[in-house]
Amino acid sequence: AQSVTQLDSQVPVFEEAPVELRCNYSSSVSVYLFWYVQYPNQGLQLLLKYLSGSTLVKGINGFEAEFNKSQTSFHLRKPSVHISDTAEYFCAVSRYNQGGKLIFGQGTELSVKP
Amino acid sequence: SQTIHQWPATLVQPVGSPLSLECTVEGTSNPNLYWYRQAAGRGLQLLFYSVGIGQISSEVPQNLSASRPQDRQFILSSKKLLLSDSGFYLCAWNRAGGYTFGSGTRLTVV
Repeated sequence: AQSVTQLDSQVPVFEEAPVELRCNYSSSVSVYLFWYVQYPNQGLQLLLKYLSGSTLVKGINGFEAEFNKSQTSFHLRKPSVHISDTAEYFCAVSRYNQGGKLIFGQGTELSVKP
Repeated sequence: SQTIHQWPATLVQPVGSPLSLECTVEGTSNPNLYWYRQAAGRGLQLLFYSVGIGQISSEVPQNLSASRPQDRQFILSSKKLLLSDSGFYLCAWNRAGGYTFGSGTRLTVV
């Protein structure tokens, strides 16, 4: 079975600083990888996804993530954050042949301070 | 375009009362459908998923049940709510690797 570990539950950062949100997964087979963002009292919005191809994936709002198969990681990065990036971020994995179930990490709360 | 509707947005229910949350999808056919729960301060836990009408898989033992009476309708139910059922419930659909989430239902059991 797959599992996802988000190594940091909270990440405080100042505005315009770079940020990295860490995600590691475990799976015995190939997986698809996702990052979602959740603003307070809202549903989840897809930031980016890795299905195949280039290991560097660019998403919305200036975020990007790099799939590292040897380290089983899919860390999310942004070179300069804004106050509006304050939200909870979830890493998720899926095995397509299991009915496409998404398995989520525990989430990382990103807090951007002025 | 594909959309997903979830209601109600918020719900306060007493312990022991029944529950019915509905999710409908538009603009697609034969989607995989999912119910997730997000408890306070915790991540998202997959509760149920469905690959077709009448086909329900349960991921964790619990007080809840799910049904799929129509291709694009997914219902989450309980006969008697517990305090521990409080949380944020999200419906999602998936087809060919893409997932779309509803706006969620905030359930508070009092």
